[in-house]
Amino acid sequence: NAGVTQTPKFRVLKTGQSMTLLCAQDMNHEYMYWYRQDPGMGLRLIHYSVGEGTTAKGEVPDGYNVSRLKKQNFLLGLESAAPSQTSVYFCASSYSVAAPTGGRETQYFGPGTRLLVL
Amino acid sequence: DAKTTQPPSMDCAEGRAANLPCNHSTISGNEYVYWYRQIHSQGPQYIIHGLKNNETNEMASLIITEDRKSSTLILPHATLRDTAVYYCIVRVAYSGGGADGLTFGKGTHLIIQP
Repeated sequence: NAGVTQTPKFRVLKTGQSMTLLCAQDMNHEYMYWYRQDPGMGLRLIHYSVGEGTTAKGEVPDGYNVSRLKKQNFLLGLESAAPSQTSVYFCASSYSVAAPTGGRETQYFGPGTRLLVL
Repeated sequence: DAKTTQPPSMDCAEGRAANLPCNHSTISGNEYVYWYRQIHSQGPQYIIHGLKNNETNEMASLIITEDRKSSTLILPHATLRDTAVYYCIVRVAYSGGGADGLTFGKGTHLIIQP
């Protein structure tokens, strides 16, 4: 199993440009998440999805849109990139069942996408 | 979710057991203890979790005190690749229809010395 994969690994954008980050998982997980991590800071949840065709806002959703057309894929879009969106973006996935089998708190992360907006 | 306290950094010799403490004195009865780590420039990695019993998997062991106010993550034979920031997270296992992001504190920077 590849686990959680993210493309691209690194991208440089100019202010105002748009792009889409792709996350794919092969673990048949129901839940998927997008986080951002800024230098010296912890992870912050941008958006999440509890299943195919459904999305919801997290802690810092402004400036981002998401789509989950297929269970295994979760896309994060930046319509008009801003320098404040320079960050490392991590995708994660998890099962939906509650603990003790692991549940939503046992999240599997991708390797990250490093985005620089000039 | 209960607050956790971890030492900011620790050293351990390669091949020795690394014991990482976490204090969670305000933990409530339905909160689990989760451990993650983040190796430099990589995504966080789930390690182990537990409620009140000690747990062991292929990566580590988790020892939770009887009063559940503290726990210790044990890496039995540390290697250089175990150098990372280790995060202890205490939270209720989510059972509603939505979801919640994981909140990572500052964690413990574990440095394995050759």
